[in-house]
Amino acid sequence: ETVLTQSPTTTAASPGEKVTITCRASSSVSYMHWYQQKSGASPKLWIYDTSKLASGVPNRFSGSGSGTSYSLIISSIESEDAATYYCQQKSSDPWTFGGGTKLELK
Amino acid sequence: EVQLVESGGGLVQPGRSLKLSCAASGFTFSNYYMAWVRQAPKKGLEWVATISTSGSRTYYPDSVKGRFTISRDNAKSSLYLQMNSLKSEDTATYYCARHEQLRGYYFDYWGQGVMVTVSS
Repeated sequence: ETVLTQSPTTTAASPGEKVTITCRASSSVSYMHWYQQKSGASPKLWIYDTSKLASGVPNRFSGSGSGTSYSLIISSIESEDAATYYCQQKSSDPWTFGGGTKLELK
Repeated sequence: EVQLVESGGGLVQPGRSLKLSCAASGFTFSNYYMAWVRQAPKKGLEWVATISTSGSRTYYPDSVKGRFTISRDNAKSSLYLQMNSLKSEDTATYYCARHEQLRGYYFDYWGQGVMVTVSS
């Protein structure tokens, strides 16, 4: 099983700041996918195939990475971005998720 | 508009069974792999089961294999999860999710979730 480790676990940023969330895989994966989950809501697909934005996702979000290291980047954070973000892979069985990164606004 | 609506959750005693349902609409249900993903209280996401378009192939992690059974009725656009021999660690919100169509690598739509509490 490929274990995904996200860092940081929690982070806080001020509006306008740049934020980077990292996801490290225990073995190499071909793609990474990301979900946003706001408090009390179900997860939403946010970034797929490492760098493609899901429908409706603002272009201040981007994704990058390869092999065992992937990132979700927010270029200039806004209040609506406060949420928990999860990475996920399926390059090897089974489908696995990272533990999540909670992003708070200062 | 894609909609996934779960039902059937509730409080159940350890060792008992429960069956979840998911009603799908807004897309051709029979063309997609479907899945269940759960989230324990204050915890992260865990994939629980996946079923192929016809229902002939099913996939489970070791944590639920032999206890949970995923099934579908394409005529009714419905997905099911039969959960047997429930344990306290199965307490979670269970989400019905649609697999991305081409390769099934990720989950592109999620339901609102249904809570299952396993407790005596």
